[in-house]
Amino acid sequence: NAGVTQTPKFRVLKTGQSMTLLCAQDMNHEYMYWYRQDPGMGLRLIHYSVGEGTTAKGEVPDGYNVSRLKKQNFLLGLESAAPSQTSVYFCASSHHLLSGRVYNEQFFGPGTRLTVL
Amino acid sequence: GQQLNQSPQSMFIQEGEDVSMNCTSSSIFNTWLWYKQEPGEGPVLLIALYKAGELTSNGRLTAQFGITRKDSFLNISASIPSDVGIYFCAGQWVYNTDKLIFGTGTRLQVFP
Repeated sequence: NAGVTQTPKFRVLKTGQSMTLLCAQDMNHEYMYWYRQDPGMGLRLIHYSVGEGTTAKGEVPDGYNVSRLKKQNFLLGLESAAPSQTSVYFCASSHHLLSGRVYNEQFFGPGTRLTVL
Repeated sequence: GQQLNQSPQSMFIQEGEDVSMNCTSSSIFNTWLWYKQEPGEGPVLLIALYKAGELTSNGRLTAQFGITRKDSFLNISASIPSDVGIYFCAGQWVYNTDKLIFGTGTRLQVFP
């Protein structure tokens, strides 16, 4: 099992460019999440999905869009990149509900390091 | 939104020493998780706690779910150089089980 994978690992964009970050998980998890991590800020939730075809806003959703067309994939899009979006982006997934009990143990990917010039 | 206060922010200790860190919240949580993040990597789950008062160990790591359900503690015994990293607590709020709330992390440095 690969767990949670993210592509690309690194990317440099110019202001105004667009891009899509891909997250894939092979654990059959229902829930998936996108976070950004900035120095001294910890992990901040951008968007999340509670199942295929669903998405919801997190703490810092502005400037980002997401899609969950397949259960195993969660895409994060930047339509018009800004320097404030320079960050490390992490994807995570969790079973959430297993055998009738809520488990929110989230498993993280290795991250995508994005620089916007 | 909900916030977790994690302390200390950083620790510089000598190999062999024990380490303690904690997380507190103004709200009641029904799950506490502890993660470790090494440079250039994603966070890795260390310990999960689901009951107030629960004490769980993972090797030299021991974590406790506070009886008030508003705090959690992580102890590392006999630290070694590979313990270096950032340790995050995360909690699941009783009234919203879809998300975790993360602390800002404790940066641990271990000197030989």
